[in-house]
Amino acid sequence: GENVEQHPSTLSVQEGDSAVIKCTYSDSASNYFPWYKQELGKGPQLIIDIRSNVGEKKDQRIAVTLNKTAKHFSLHITETQPEDSAVYFCAAPRATSYDKVIFGPGTSLSVIP
Amino acid sequence: GAGVSQSPRYKVAKRGQDVALRCDPISGHVSLFWYQQALGQGPEFLTYFQNEAQLDKSGLPSDRFFAERPEGSVSTLKIQRTQQEDSAVYLCASSPGTGESPLHFGNGTRLTVT
Repeated sequence: GENVEQHPSTLSVQEGDSAVIKCTYSDSASNYFPWYKQELGKGPQLIIDIRSNVGEKKDQRIAVTLNKTAKHFSLHITETQPEDSAVYFCAAPRATSYDKVIFGPGTSLSVIP
Repeated sequence: GAGVSQSPRYKVAKRGQDVALRCDPISGHVSLFWYQQALGQGPEFLTYFQNEAQLDKSGLPSDRFFAERPEGSVSTLKIQRTQQEDSAVYLCASSPGTGESPLHFGNGTRLTVT
């Protein structure tokens, strides 16, 4: 079945620095790759997603890059701010069941003021 | 409200009790998902509805877990004879389409079984 791995599990950066989180998936037929941010006591919230027909997508300080050949995609946050501190999850749908999205184990990001 | 609403926010149950968790999805959203999230882990898929049809329940851990969405809107996740290992946050998400669409999550119900 689909397996989604995420690295690192924890990440600490100084305010203003960049943060990069990497995600690998196993199902080569996957075509949709979202990233979710989860703050304490809340549900995950979509922050950016990418489809397999593009290699990169940006939204202000957030970008996602996709390498379908290597089956990995990355989240890039530039000019980090304390409010970026949260747990980030990557996800990928199972090709055999596109409605079943498999989440990675999460990365806890701490931005130090 | 405009978002997905879940109730109760917290539930404490004695082992062996039955519980019912409610999800009000965003109006008009076709797809509804239930996920289980253990502390420090990512959400784990439980079940999926498209309108009132439960199309996938392969993630339900045992036959003690039951979910329904009788009118294609509100959904209820029921856990019978709760066990300590059922303690987790139960997340509901809805989506306007099927397939590869963004999920809109509620804030979850934290279930503690004592």
